[in-house]
Amino acid sequence: GQQVMQIPQYQHVQEGEDFTTYCNSSTTLSNIQWYKQRPGGHPVFLIQLVKSGEVKKQKRLTFQFGEAKKNSSLHITATQTTDVGTYFCAGRSNYQLIWGAGTKLIIKP
Amino acid sequence: GAGVSQSPSNKVTEKGKDVELRCDPISGHTALYWYRQSLGQGLEFLIYFQGNSAPDKSGLPSDRFSAERTGGSVSTLTIQRTQQEDSAVYLCASSFTGGDTYEQYFGPGTRLTVT
Repeated sequence: GQQVMQIPQYQHVQEGEDFTTYCNSSTTLSNIQWYKQRPGGHPVFLIQLVKSGEVKKQKRLTFQFGEAKKNSSLHITATQTTDVGTYFCAGRSNYQLIWGAGTKLIIKP
Repeated sequence: GAGVSQSPSNKVTEKGKDVELRCDPISGHTALYWYRQSLGQGLEFLIYFQGNSAPDKSGLPSDRFSAERTGGSVSTLTIQRTQQEDSAVYLCASSFTGGDTYEQYFGPGTRLTVT
C-alpha cells in the first residue's frame, strides 16, 4: 500500500542550530500537510503544500514540496525551546492522509 | 467555537472488559477519523467516517474493535474484551471536506490503560 517514509526518527540539536525533517512517498501526492505535536499534546496543523516545487515560510520554518510531488521537507532555522515536539508529514491520497512516522526534535540541555 | 472533544480523558480498565470512547467533532465537519498512538510512536489510522458511513475500516486491528457515528456527529469507538496491547492514546480528528485544505483538527485524546 501507499507509504510515506519520514526521516530521521529523532534529531538532537543545540538551541540555535538548524533542524530538518524529510518525507518521501511511494506515490505521487495531491498535497502534503505538516503537523506538530508538542509533548503530551495532540497534533496541530501547520501548513499544506499543493503545487509542484512549492515553498512556504512561516517565520523560522520553511516547507518544501518536491517537483514530482513525492517528497517534502521542513527546515527550522535557529531552533528555540518552543520548537520541541514531534513533526509529522501527512500526504493526501483521496480522502485519507497517509502519515509519516514523525521526527522528534530534541534540544540538548 | 468549540474544538473536537473526547471523553473520557483517561480510562483504566481491567483486561477482558469492554470500553467505549466518545468523540464530539467540530460542528459541520463531515469527516471523522480515529487514530491510535502508542507511547513515543506515530499515528496508527483506525477508521474514517464520511457522514455516518465508514468507507474505510481497514485500520481496525481486530474484530474486537468497532466504531459508529450517528447523526453525522458524535462517534463512539468500542473495544471489546480489552487486552494489554490495546493500551494507548486514542485520538479523534475531524475535518471539513467542502474546502481545499481538509486539515484535520484533533481532540485531546483518550489515554487507555489496560491492567
